[in-house]
Amino acid sequence: GDKVKQSPSALSLQEGTNSALRCNFSIAATTVQWFLQNPRGSLMNLFYLVPGTKENGRLKSAFDSKESYSTLHIRDAQLEDSGTYFCAVLGGNNKLTFGQGTVLSVIP
Amino acid sequence: EAAVTQSPRSKVAVTGGKVTLSCHQTNNHDYMYWYRQDTGHGLRLIHYSYVADSTEKGDIPDGYKASRPSQENFSLILELASLSQTAVYFCASAENQNTLYFGAGTRLSVL
Repeated sequence: GDKVKQSPSALSLQEGTNSALRCNFSIAATTVQWFLQNPRGSLMNLFYLVPGTKENGRLKSAFDSKESYSTLHIRDAQLEDSGTYFCAVLGGNNKLTFGQGTVLSVIP
Repeated sequence: EAAVTQSPRSKVAVTGGKVTLSCHQTNNHDYMYWYRQDTGHGLRLIHYSYVADSTEKGDIPDGYKASRPSQENFSLILELASLSQTAVYFCASAENQNTLYFGAGTRLSVL
């Protein structure tokens, strides 16, 4: 089965609302990264995490290595937040494994 | 200006032909990667490199070769392109396996 699972697979948010994306993994992870792929296809790094939390503007992310999951919280969603969010986990084999992504649509 | 540049941005190839995708980075990073993305899916690692003149197999290396002639350049080679290799290919660089910086992607169609 998938070593890195993201949920939900798709999500619609009203502009101005909040939500959380989740990334569960079945491998021992040392770091987690979150990316946004915009509708044009470009990939942008959002967070690089060791166990703990980080915050950047309306985004906040946490990585719990003991429970093997990471979350990405979006506050006050804006139209430009639309796209596909990927988490990627660095395992003991030193390879970065990506989840299947969460497609986020922010609607006015 | 883009620090990871891929060329070409798109390509149409014939089955059985040779395809070379190029990647150039100005980040001075040790690590470089090639991923493929199929429609509606995440990224899968094909090959990577952590030093010039050396490459490592990723999770799906079959049908692909890689070349790292310098720290700045990393190529992906399809010796005999097949229909199943139609995908979008992304190159990325990173320092010590930290934050990945991606190129804009190459859309490859094999007919």
